[in-house]
Parts: sequence; C-alpha cells; structure tokens
Amino acid sequence: AQKITQTQPGMFVQEKEAVTLDCTYDTSDPSYGLFWYKQPSSGEMIFLIYQGSYDQQNATEGRYSLNFQKARKSANLVISASQLGDSAMYFCAMREEQGRDDKIIFGKGTRLHILP
Amino acid sequence: DARVTQTPRHKVTEMGQEVTMRCQPILGHNTVFWYRQTMMQGLELLAYFRNRAPLDDSGMPKDRFSAEMPDATLATLKIQPSEPRDSAVYFCASGKNYNEQFFGPGTRLTVL
Repeated sequence: AQKITQTQPGMFVQEKEAVTLDCTYDTSDPSYGLFWYKQPSSGEMIFLIYQGSYDQQNATEGRYSLNFQKARKSANLVISASQLGDSAMYFCAMREEQGRDDKIIFGKGTRLHILP
Repeated sequence: DARVTQTPRHKVTEMGQEVTMRCQPILGHNTVFWYRQTMMQGLELLAYFRNRAPLDDSGMPKDRFSAEMPDATLATLKIQPSEPRDSAVYFCASGKNYNEQFFGPGTRLTVL
C-alpha cells in the first residue's frame, strides 16, 4: 500500500486564486511528520512547510498553509493568492518516527500550472 | 546562505563506466540522504546516514551501487558498472532536526 497518495497528477489554476493540493497518508505510527516540497522546472527541491502529528495548530509559512486533518489522514497544502511563479511540481512526504527513523517517503507529486 | 552542494551537476557516461557523485552537506547537519528521481518511479530513497553511519541502504541495488561518508563534509554515491537504466537525477539532502531536510541541486546522470 502506498504511504503517501497525491490524487491530482495535474492542476490548472487562474492566477490570484487559492489552490489546494491534496495529500493523504497511511501510517500506524502515532508520531510522524508531514512535509511539502516544491520542484520548479529548474529541478531543485525546495522545502515549503512541515507539520508534526502532535502539533496543535496547522502549520503556516507565508502564503503556504497545511490543512492537517489527522482523523482523515490528510495533509493538504493550501497556497493563497497564487502567482505565476508557483507553477511547479509539488511533493507531499512523510517521516515516520517509530524507531527514531529519519526516512522520508515521497508521494508521486502534483504538477501545478498557474494561468495568467 | 548555507546550501547542500553536489558535483558534478551533469554527467554523461558510457555503459560499464564507473560514476562517482559527491555531496557536501550543510555544515552541522548530521543526517545525509541520497535519492534518485525518474519519471517512472518518482523520488526513491537510496541510502541515508546519521552521524556518518549508514542507517539504511535497502533502496539501493547492492551489486553496483555503494554509498559512503568518508568524513562529515563529504558523502559519495558510486555506481560500478553503470547501466542505461541508472539514468536519472540523483539528489543529496541533509538535515539537522527531525523536521527539516534540505536538498542539493542534483546530479543529472545519463548512461549511454
């Protein structure tokens, strides 16, 4: 079974609109962390945001926020007021902390296109 | 502005040749990861180290791949002999805390 599922292979969104990128995860570990990365066409992987499973508040970083719904095992990324520069591939990832493991497992990604 | 560096950025080689990719993690980071990215498989974890000790290399084909950290400032990934199916982008990433992992720019490998 896949640990991280991103159901949207591609999305087209009008500039200035808000965007929600879906991510669901599968773990039996009570302690885990969730990450989102952005990969523009240049190829680099850019860390965007992190949410710990015990964090009380949803994580926010500037225009990025993580809509964390623990019971549903979902960690959707919300980008407010989208910009042309947000066009990129977005990866959701999870780190399970059982056994103090540092491994991070990535989803297949969602390609976001922002339209002018 | 501390960054993970990787060399070379691009490598074209012929099947059967040895390939060595190098990574300099961010100073002070104690975990180092090697990933491979292809269109078909996405991002796959190959190996990772904590405090220079290899913790998991189960994602790596053992017969031809090897990963080492000769010191805290250098991680290497070797492929010998290389095959066309090894063509991919290889990323190194490093981290200090459990909630972070910073990636290098990647090495784009093409094996002819």
